[in-house]
Amino acid sequence: DGGITQSPKYLFRKEGQNVTLSCEQNLNHDAMYWYRQDPGQGLRLIYYSQIVNDFQKGDIAEGYSVSREKKESFPLTVTSAQKNPTAFYLCASSIGVGMAEGYTFGSGTRLTVV
Amino acid sequence: GQQLNQSPQSMFIQEGEDVSMNCTSSSIFNTWLWYKQDPGEGPVLLIALYKAGELTSNGRLTAQFGITRKDSFLNISASIPSDVGIYFCAGQGTYKYIFGTGTRLKVLA
Repeated sequence: DGGITQSPKYLFRKEGQNVTLSCEQNLNHDAMYWYRQDPGQGLRLIYYSQIVNDFQKGDIAEGYSVSREKKESFPLTVTSAQKNPTAFYLCASSIGVGMAEGYTFGSGTRLTVV
Repeated sequence: GQQLNQSPQSMFIQEGEDVSMNCTSSSIFNTWLWYKQDPGEGPVLLIALYKAGELTSNGRLTAQFGITRKDSFLNISASIPSDVGIYFCAGQGTYKYIFGTGTRLKVLA
């Protein structure tokens, strides 16, 4: 079955460390997205990618970095420059950017700074 | 970044009751989507709306695309405990979807 896989489900980071969250899809979707969700808040866009080797900053890109070397993969690195990284991170994909079919989401990674 | 306004922000209801929530925007959208997020999981698409005035059902869920194209509504009939979660609306922007702030639903058995 096609879908999006995020790993790990839970991740703990020490202050000052970089961590990378994995997102893999086998839906043959061109576009991929990373969102951050804080308790009681909506979804805030971090980065998105329309095609391989191209990506754009979203609304809260500071302290984060991404790469898109393969169509299937869109890893997110939370750097030490992100001062408040504890949150629930969601990866999503779509056939194309802004397509009417909407997004398919992964099951999320919960990142906690210890 | 832009977010759509959803109301209510949260609601507690008794099992069996009907639920209504809405989403408003200052911009016109050509597509409205409604998602449900279970606790600790990613959102799942419930209903998609493509035309102003459109009314679409999915089981006990009914959603409407507002005539002004700046709002949308979601109704849940005869709520059950598994309806608990966060409901998000999303409007199709130029390059990406804009998501609402979410309505958190809790159902009391």
